[in-house]
Amino acid sequence: EAAVTQSPRNKVAVTGGKVTLSCNQTNNHNNMYWYRQDTGHGLRLIHYSYGAGSTEKGDIPDGYKASRPSQENFSLILELATPSQTSVYFCASGASYEQYFGPGTRLTVL
Amino acid sequence: GDQVEQSPSALSLHEGTGSALRCNFTTTMRAVQWFRKNSRGSLINLFYLASGTKENGRLKSAFDSKERYSTLHIRDAQLEDSGTYFCAAEDITGNTGKLIFGLGTTLQVQP
Repeated sequence: EAAVTQSPRNKVAVTGGKVTLSCNQTNNHNNMYWYRQDTGHGLRLIHYSYGAGSTEKGDIPDGYKASRPSQENFSLILELATPSQTSVYFCASGASYEQYFGPGTRLTVL
Repeated sequence: GDQVEQSPSALSLHEGTGSALRCNFTTTMRAVQWFRKNSRGSLINLFYLASGTKENGRLKSAFDSKERYSTLHIRDAQLEDSGTYFCAAEDITGNTGKLIFGLGTTLQVQP
C-alpha cells in the first residue's frame, strides 16, 4: 500500500508569515507533486519534482517555493503567506502516471 | 479544468440505488484516475485505467481514450459512499506525470 504522509494536518498562519508544509513518501517514487484544492477549481498543480534536487513549476506556482532534499521528502514553502493561500493542500507521489495522495493539510491564513 | 469536463456537479442518491459519473476530455488522454474525497478530507485512490474497464466491489470504471471519456458507475449506493468524486487524466502529449483534474461531483447518499 502506497504511503504518503503530510505534516502538519492543520495550520493557522498570519498574513506575511512563513509556512512550510512537509510531505514524506515511502514508495520510493521519483515524482512528487503539490496541489491545492479549492471549491470550484478541482485540484491545481503548484510544484512538482522528478527526484532529489529537482523542482519544477506547476500551473499556479506564484507565491510558492518547493524543496526536494531527498527522494522521500518534498516541501512546499510559503515565504509570505496571504489569505488567498487559504486552502487544502495535497501532496502526491508517483512512479509514472498513477499518483498516490497524502491526507491533505488544511491551511488557514488570517 | 477546461480539458476535463466532469458531470454532474452534484448528485443525490437513495441507499441501494445507483448512477454514473462521467468525465469528457477535450483532448486525447493517456490514462485516467478516479478519486473520492471523504468526510475527513483525504483523497482515496479508486481506479487507475489506461484502457478498458475495472471493477472493485460496487464501483466500476471505464475509460475510452479514442472517444475521450471515462465513467464511474456506483451501484447499491451506501451512506459511506458520500463524498466528492474527482477524475483526473494526463494529456497523451505530456510525459511529466502531471494530472488534469475535473471539478468534482459531490455525491450525497440518503437513507
